[in-house]
Amino acid sequence: EDKVVQSPLSLVVHEGDTVTLNCSYEVTNFRSLLWYKQEKKAPTFLFMLTSSGIEKKSGRLSSILDKKELFSILNITATQTGDSAIYLCAVRQGGSEKLVFGKGTKLTVNP
Amino acid sequence: GAVVSQHPSWVICKSGTSVKIECRSLDFQATTMFWYRQFPKQSLMLMATSNEGSKATYEQGVEKDKFLINHASLTLSTLTVTSAHPEDSSFYICSARDPGIAETQYFGPGTRLLVL
Repeated sequence: EDKVVQSPLSLVVHEGDTVTLNCSYEVTNFRSLLWYKQEKKAPTFLFMLTSSGIEKKSGRLSSILDKKELFSILNITATQTGDSAIYLCAVRQGGSEKLVFGKGTKLTVNP
Repeated sequence: GAVVSQHPSWVICKSGTSVKIECRSLDFQATTMFWYRQFPKQSLMLMATSNEGSKATYEQGVEKDKFLINHASLTLSTLTVTSAHPEDSSFYICSARDPGIAETQYFGPGTRLLVL
């Protein structure tokens, strides 16, 4: 059965800290891995990763994929209270548009 | 970026009534849209894939007669929860893929349904 596992499930840090969120997956015919940020409503897109070892970066957020070890990490540096959210990892299989989601990591950044 | 809207954002209804939720792609055409359900503290669970001009594809365990999906145009898909019961209370989210932006699904703001 295809699955996506995120860790930790929750994380509490102070402003300015750096955090690393993990996502491992077991899917047949992997095509791409996506990271989303979910605050009170629906998820907003952060990154899509398809190739190993190529870092995607957007401001204080960055992500990288390891297709050999079947995992991805999402890094957030100099965290701010506005980074508090649930971060979702999803994997798309080749030949399908379906996304398989992990349970998410709930990040709380305290001032 | 691609924008997806949903309406309504909140629904409260009595048990036994039917509720229709609309999902629209505002600035692109989406031949495929997706309907998810999210229970508190749980991840998004795909319910069905909505295909323009054809029948929806439902995930295992999702009752197609209860969750009616219609994708009548390239910018609109609707989900109707028929004869809603309290256990149908959940957060329903749609997404659509913008063919012009490399395989990325964009999500609507979601509809919170509460069945009394």
